[in-house]
Amino acid sequence: NAGVMQNPRHLVRRRGQEARLRCSPMKGHSHVYWYRQLPEEGLKFMVYLQKENIIDESGMPKERFSAEFPKEGPSILRIQQVVRGDSAAYFCASSPALQGTYEQYFGPGTRLTVT
Amino acid sequence: SQKIEQNSEALNIQEGKTATLTCNYTNYSPAYLQWYRQDPGRGPVFLLLIRENEKEKRKERLKVTFDTTLKQSLFHITASQPADSATYLCASIGGSQGNLIFGKGTKLSVKP
Repeated sequence: NAGVMQNPRHLVRRRGQEARLRCSPMKGHSHVYWYRQLPEEGLKFMVYLQKENIIDESGMPKERFSAEFPKEGPSILRIQQVVRGDSAAYFCASSPALQGTYEQYFGPGTRLTVT
Repeated sequence: SQKIEQNSEALNIQEGKTATLTCNYTNYSPAYLQWYRQDPGRGPVFLLLIRENEKEKRKERLKVTFDTTLKQSLFHITASQPADSATYLCASIGGSQGNLIFGKGTKLSVKP
């Protein structure tokens, strides 16, 4: 049973470009979460999605960031017009049911570098 | 606002000793706390979950306690090994929709 998959593992973008990060949850998991980890900082929640629905986006910056989890295919975290401050590790996690009763399974992360 | 704090950024111990890591929470009463392990360049890996009505939980060499009076969880690794060297994260439910709030982590180094 494959774990949570994220790609790409490393992504380099110039300021102003778009970054697209992809996440495929574990088989049988219908809940996806995105977190950001800045250097020397803890993991910060960004968004919680179920298939075709955004459940909680309270951690998402109001501009330039968006996320989706379509009926078919991976979840996508999209960052438009990237700035240097977006450089971070972005982790996706999944769970089989309501997160309040289950642990989250994390992917290996995508390390975004904005030059 | 809800906070999870791990006061020790780093902990260095000798192989064979017991490592004890601390997690404190403020401004709320979480129904449970979780502990994760994170190795450099990798995503966190779930280790243990303890609920507020459980005083203690064990898994092999790991032990977690939950003290709702002190608003604190302790994470113990007995008979520590160099392979236990990693960053350990404490986490609990955040907002009403169930996102996780993480502490900044404690980096454990076990010397042979």
